[in-house]
Amino acid sequence: QKEVEQNSGPLSVPEGAIASLNCTYSDRGSQSFFWYRQYSGKSPELIMFIYSNGDKEDGRFTAQLNKASQYVSLLIRDSQPSDSATYLCAVKDSNYQLIWGAGTKLIIKP
Amino acid sequence: GAGVSQSPSNKVTEKGKDVELRCDPISGHTALYWYRQSLGQGLEFLIYFQGNSAPDKSGLPSDRFSAERTGGSVSTLTIQRTQQEDSAVYLCASSPGQGGNNQPQHFGDGTRLSIL
Repeated sequence: QKEVEQNSGPLSVPEGAIASLNCTYSDRGSQSFFWYRQYSGKSPELIMFIYSNGDKEDGRFTAQLNKASQYVSLLIRDSQPSDSATYLCAVKDSNYQLIWGAGTKLIIKP
Repeated sequence: GAGVSQSPSNKVTEKGKDVELRCDPISGHTALYWYRQSLGQGLEFLIYFQGNSAPDKSGLPSDRFSAERTGGSVSTLTIQRTQQEDSAVYLCASSPGQGGNNQPQHFGDGTRLSIL
């Protein structure tokens, strides 16, 4: 059973601080990795994806991938209250199937 | 450009009735997915279509659930003899294809189904 695991949270971070969200996966042959944000009552929206080891930055967001340790993380710099949402990690495995984590609820406190 | 379109946005029906949910994917996207999300829960995969290939139905929870995709575009998810546990948000997503790395799924706004 291929798995993607995330801490369900809630993760509480003060406004302006760095929020760090983590995701681990079981299939070592996984190909690509996606972070989605889901506001309450809304559908998931893609934030960014990464498929090479290292960091990928897009504005206030940085995705970090470590295939050897089988984890991917999302850093949000200068956190804003509008970043409060559930963050879903999705991993495309060696069979190109997309496996979803259950999500981490992030709360940014003003 | 147009995103994934789902209809209806909300559906309330009585237990035992049949319902049909519609998804119109992004133009040119060959892959289409249906998910279910209960309140406060993660995404539950239901079914996946890729081009003209046989669909992956491995996530359908019972034989009351079925889906079809006509002409490789619009998809309909049908739930027969609805039960209260079918109440959830049904999400449709599409992507350019299945293989390859950078093929993110793009979601519609979902259909909120409530069974009385």
